[in-house]
Amino acid sequence: SSELTQDPAVSVALGQTVRITCQGDSLRSYYASWFQQKPGQAPVLVMYTKNNRPSGIPDRFSGSNSGNTASLTITGAQAEDEADYYCNTRDSSDNHHVVFGGGTKLTVL
Amino acid sequence: QVQLVESGGGVVQPGRSLRVSCAASGFTFSSYGMHWVRQTPGKGLEWVAVIWYDGSKRYYADSVKGRFTISRDNSKNTLFLQINSLRPEDTAVYYCARDIGDSSDFDYWGQGTLVTVSS
Repeated sequence: SSELTQDPAVSVALGQTVRITCQGDSLRSYYASWFQQKPGQAPVLVMYTKNNRPSGIPDRFSGSNSGNTASLTITGAQAEDEADYYCNTRDSSDNHHVVFGGGTKLTVL
Repeated sequence: QVQLVESGGGVVQPGRSLRVSCAASGFTFSSYGMHWVRQTPGKGLEWVAVIWYDGSKRYYADSVKGRFTISRDNSKNTLFLQINSLRPEDTAVYYCARDIGDSSDFDYWGQGTLVTVSS
């Protein structure tokens, strides 16, 4: 099965911009989705196919893709954005399967 | 509003079986594919299985294939995961999640149910 690679941890100063990346061969064929998870809570979808933002997600969240890399950008990070972020996508080796990245812990300083 | 509520978790001895459930409400359950995703305490998310909206197709992660069975009862708006031959490494929070449309876009998640495999 394919893998998605994320940086384990990223930090950003309050109000600054941060980009969280996700790399994997499957991203050459399929879009990534992005999930935010705060401690003790279920994941929440923050970005989905073709970089669409679900209703209720602030517009400071945006997504992009290039080659084998998907990115989630937070422009003007807020304290409440501190969380774990996971990407996922269809597995290009078996497109009925889904693969998750290992997650990135975002710290807002 | 869309709600997914898991139940059935608990402490189970290795080798035993368990069935976890996910009760859906607030949407037309029979129109959506549904997934199970698990998360080992303190670790990342792992996709487990998917079942199509009508139950006609099911797919499993290699790590659980042959031991786990996903099913659904559209008349009762409920999703199931039967877990057999439980192993310590199956200890995790099990989430059900709704798929927007044959994708990896999981737009609603339940709160999860903890399965602990221990003697």
